[in-house]
Amino acid sequence: AQSVSQHNHHVILSEAASLELGCNYSYGGTVNLFWYVQYPGQHLQLLLKYFSGDPLVKGIKGFEAEFIKSKFSFNLRKPSVQWSDTAEYFCAVNTNAGKSTFGDGTTLTVKP
Amino acid sequence: DGGITQSPKYLFRKEGQNVTLSCEQNLNHDAMYWYRQDPGQGLRLIYYSQIVNDFQKGDIAEGYSVSREKKESFPLTVTSAQKNPTAFYLCASSISPKRSGRAGDTQYFGPGTRLTVL
Repeated sequence: AQSVSQHNHHVILSEAASLELGCNYSYGGTVNLFWYVQYPGQHLQLLLKYFSGDPLVKGIKGFEAEFIKSKFSFNLRKPSVQWSDTAEYFCAVNTNAGKSTFGDGTTLTVKP
Repeated sequence: DGGITQSPKYLFRKEGQNVTLSCEQNLNHDAMYWYRQDPGQGLRLIYYSQIVNDFQKGDIAEGYSVSREKKESFPLTVTSAQKNPTAFYLCASSISPKRSGRAGDTQYFGPGTRLTVL
């Protein structure tokens, strides 16, 4: 069975600090990897995704993630966070069978 | 506007009653999903469907049922057998792996329905 583990449940940072959120998955076959974000009061939306090719992918608002196949990891990074990045972040995997699995989520609070 | 609609936004039911949550999409997506979101537990997959008239159980299907009679609609019934039905329910849709030929694509989410069972 596939699973997704997010290492940080709640992260608190000051503006301009760097961010890295960990995500590891377990699945033996082909997967697509995603980070979704849920801003307060808004729908869950895509931040970035990895299907194939360059393992370093860039998303919206300056976020990026690196797929390391040997470590089954897909960590999310941002060099300098802003107050508006305060949100809940979810890592997810989708498989060829169409099934998707989400991590438990990480709540990011950015202090102005 | 293209998107996913879920209704109602808030729903209250008495214990022991079945309740059906609506999910409609006009994105022409083949795949649709139902999730339950509880604090600290992320999104847990209840059911998913890759094509009309076909659906599969997710990780927490017990006490729930679905139907997929039309491409644009994927209603979820929370039955009286569900032990802890009070939760936030999210519906999503995407291009199906069967159509794209690869693992599942980006999911587009609705606004959710908050169900409270009294």
